[in-house]
Parts: sequence; C-alpha cells; structure tokens
Amino acid sequence: EAQVTQNPRYLITVTGKKLTVTCSQNMNHEYMSWYRQDPGLGLRQIYYSMNVEVTDKGDVPEGYKVSRKEKRNFPLILESPSPNQTSLYFCASSSLGTGGAEQYFGPGTRLTVT
Amino acid sequence: AQSVAQPEDQVNVAEGNPLTVKCTYSVSGNPYLFWYVQYPNRGLQFLLKYITGDNLVKGSYGFEAEFNKSQTSFHLKKPSALVSDSALYFCAVRLRGGTSYGKLTFGQGTILTVHP
Repeated sequence: EAQVTQNPRYLITVTGKKLTVTCSQNMNHEYMSWYRQDPGLGLRQIYYSMNVEVTDKGDVPEGYKVSRKEKRNFPLILESPSPNQTSLYFCASSSLGTGGAEQYFGPGTRLTVT
Repeated sequence: AQSVAQPEDQVNVAEGNPLTVKCTYSVSGNPYLFWYVQYPNRGLQFLLKYITGDNLVKGSYGFEAEFNKSQTSFHLKKPSALVSDSALYFCAVRLRGGTSYGKLTFGQGTILTVHP
C-alpha cells in the first residue's frame, strides 16, 4: 500500500530535550516536505526537499533541522524544543514530474512541549 | 511572496443544497492550485487541482473548482452537499518554476458543516 508513515504519532516532551520525528514514504517520490498545523493558521511549510541531499527552507524553519540522506526518509529534528513548537506536524511527499503533482500526507504527529 | 486567503472560517449548508468554499491567492507568476480535505483526526487528502486547460476542474467525491485568473480565485463547489462532506478544507498554491518552486502555501482552512 502506498503510504507516508510518521513516528511517533504522539509525543510529550520537555523544553530543551532533543527529539526526532521520522517520516518515510514507499512511493519513490523525489519531493518531501514538513508542515505544522496550528488553529487559525492552516498549514505552514517548515522545510522541503526536492531530492536526496537537497533541502530548502519553507516559511517557518526556525528551530528545526532536516536531512535527506535517503530518498524514502525525511526526518524532522528539534534540537532544543520550546513550548511554541507545540503543534500538529505533517510530513508529505509527491513526485516532481511536471510540478503539479498532488502531495500524499502522513497521519500526523501531535507534539507537546512543556 | 505567495499567499492564500480563505475568507470564511466556517461555512454552514443544509444537506442537498449547493456549497461553495472560497479561495483567493496572490503569486508572482502562474500557479498550480490545489484543494485538500482533512477529516477529524486524519491527515490531509487530495481533492483536486488546477494545472492548465479548462477552468472548471472536477475532483473526488463530486467536488469541482473554478479557476478565475482575473479574480485570482479558485473556489471549491459541490452541487449537492452531503453530511459526510463536513470537514476542514484547505486551498493551496505552488509556483510553476523559479527558486521557490518547492514551496507550497496553504490557506488557513475553512470548516464546512453540512446539516441534515
């Protein structure tokens, strides 16, 4: 089954404790992206990757890191989480093709930073 | 910079009536336009997209959207709403090229409630 998986699905942590949210896709997609969803703000793009070893900042990259060492994986790293990073996070992937390809989203990771 | 506006936080409609969820965008160039839907406690699902050609685009679950270049709008429509259409809807825009090619910008979302 074609899918995007994220782990963990729920995470409660404390300020300053480094964490990683994993994202994996099995569709051989070139493009992967991370978003955060906050009430009233919709989804905002954190980072995206056009292919292996190619990453770029989205609209809200501060406080986050990513890496793309393999095509299928795109982990999101919070080196020193703060309470304002409490949010619902989504990973997504798509083929690049003509550029108009729709994205496939993971189920989301709900992060709480206390 | 690109932006998307969904002017209505909530849309309420009776089952069987037509529905419209509005979206306007601002980009410097020609965009790809998308609609996604999010059901409670679920990820986003693709509904439809505009790439080129006919301004009326048909998508999943009987939804359609009309691209209007002069008004920079991409409103989502359905002729007859179902209770099961109740969800959170997002409009999104992506540029066709340039250095911001990979950036996807979403609107803030519109909660659609269809009453029996």
